[in-house]
Amino acid sequence: RKEVEQDPGPFNVPEGATVAFNCTYSNSASQSFFWYRQDCRKEPKLLMSVYSSGNEDGRFTAQLNRASQYISLLIRDSKLSDSATYLCVVNGEYGNKLVFGAGTILRVKS
Amino acid sequence: GAVVSQHPSRVICKSGTSVKIECRSLDFQATTMFWYRQFPKQSLMLMATSNEGSKATYEQGVEKDKFLINHASLTLSTLTVTSAHPEDSSFYICSAPMRGTREQYFGPGTRLTVT
Repeated sequence: RKEVEQDPGPFNVPEGATVAFNCTYSNSASQSFFWYRQDCRKEPKLLMSVYSSGNEDGRFTAQLNRASQYISLLIRDSKLSDSATYLCVVNGEYGNKLVFGAGTILRVKS
Repeated sequence: GAVVSQHPSRVICKSGTSVKIECRSLDFQATTMFWYRQFPKQSLMLMATSNEGSKATYEQGVEKDKFLINHASLTLSTLTVTSAHPEDSSFYICSAPMRGTREQYFGPGTRLTVT
């Protein structure tokens, strides 16, 4: 079983749609959770950290369910510029090591 | 936000040669940096943890004699791919955590092509 699992997609949605991604992780000792965005042939960029209480940043909402070991990302009012691969990232067993999911591809179309 | 730079952004080399990639934290000090590799349509895979002033820690399956890491200062880590082969062609990315946080910032990556 992979440490971090994501549905690879692609999710094809029209502009303005709401889309949700889920991610599960296997290490129950994980303490840090993130969503990164990666555009084609570019480096990952931090989208948001995910806190136990959930957090929102504009059109983006992240939730963490420790009991079920899953993380979600909700994007409202999708824009064309949201098209990218979204990476679910969890800190590994030791310190700052990060474990990446394979990513979920989002394509927003006009 | 924090900035991490990498150089070169793209390199093409012949099989058997060595390539050095630099990773710099531009506006913060990083005692630890991470080196990743990403093959097409795959996720980032951690290769090694670079520790300032001490030896790097390599992930299982990564040859330390092939991928030499030097972390000579608090703002610079280098990865040298020695005796490169075509199968080493990949996207190499470094990252550095901002001290006091768990967030990591990535360099723009280096695309290595070995012919």
